[in-house]
Amino acid sequence: QIQLVQSGAEVRKPGASVKLSCKTSGYTFTAYAILWGRQAPGQGLEWMGWINPGSGNTKYSQTFQGRVTVTSDISATTAYMEVTGLRSGDTAIYYCVRDNGFFDFWGQGTPVTVSS
Amino acid sequence: EVVMTQSPATLSVSPGGRATLSCRASQSVSRNVAWYQQKPGQVPRLLIYGASTRATGIPARFSGSGFGTEFTLTISTLQSEDFAVYYCHQYNNWPPWTFGQGTKVEIK
Repeated sequence: QIQLVQSGAEVRKPGASVKLSCKTSGYTFTAYAILWGRQAPGQGLEWMGWINPGSGNTKYSQTFQGRVTVTSDISATTAYMEVTGLRSGDTAIYYCVRDNGFFDFWGQGTPVTVSS
Repeated sequence: EVVMTQSPATLSVSPGGRATLSCRASQSVSRNVAWYQQKPGQVPRLLIYGASTRATGIPARFSGSGFGTEFTLTISTLQSEDFAVYYCHQYNNWPPWTFGQGTKVEIK
């Protein structure tokens, strides 16, 4: 069955960086793009970055341009997102999702807390 | 950027009742709209894609309709497990991928 399994919860101080992972299984990794997004407490969904593992092509939300880098490791069927310059407003649950046009499979989410 | 506007923000419905949720796009998105359900503390779940196609395992009481700029999600007979927040999402013009702000369906 198709699964996206994300890395565990993270706590960082303001100014630090965090690198999240999303291990996929059950489908051809290079056939679908992966989108990264986040959801702050009580808020809606916000996209951050996107990667097509097959081509290596990436796209970034202008909101996060320069602070977010998405990568993938085809041999490990895993996608990654690094966020730098963390601030308290980055406290949220971060999701990876499989992009089938619509988002059909989701990781379980990684809570990231930014606090001094 | 396509702005997705959902209404109402909160919908109070009795169990067994009917819920009609609306989503309006700021420009035409053809039929490229999906709906997701999110319960507290859970991951969003895909309900509908292509405006009207139910995802695998989604009960027939969920139905979607619309084209262009106006979309509707209908839950015909609300069950206790259907009380949740529902989001619409357009994937016609990207990036950015944009979502509505959500409609909370609560027990009346």
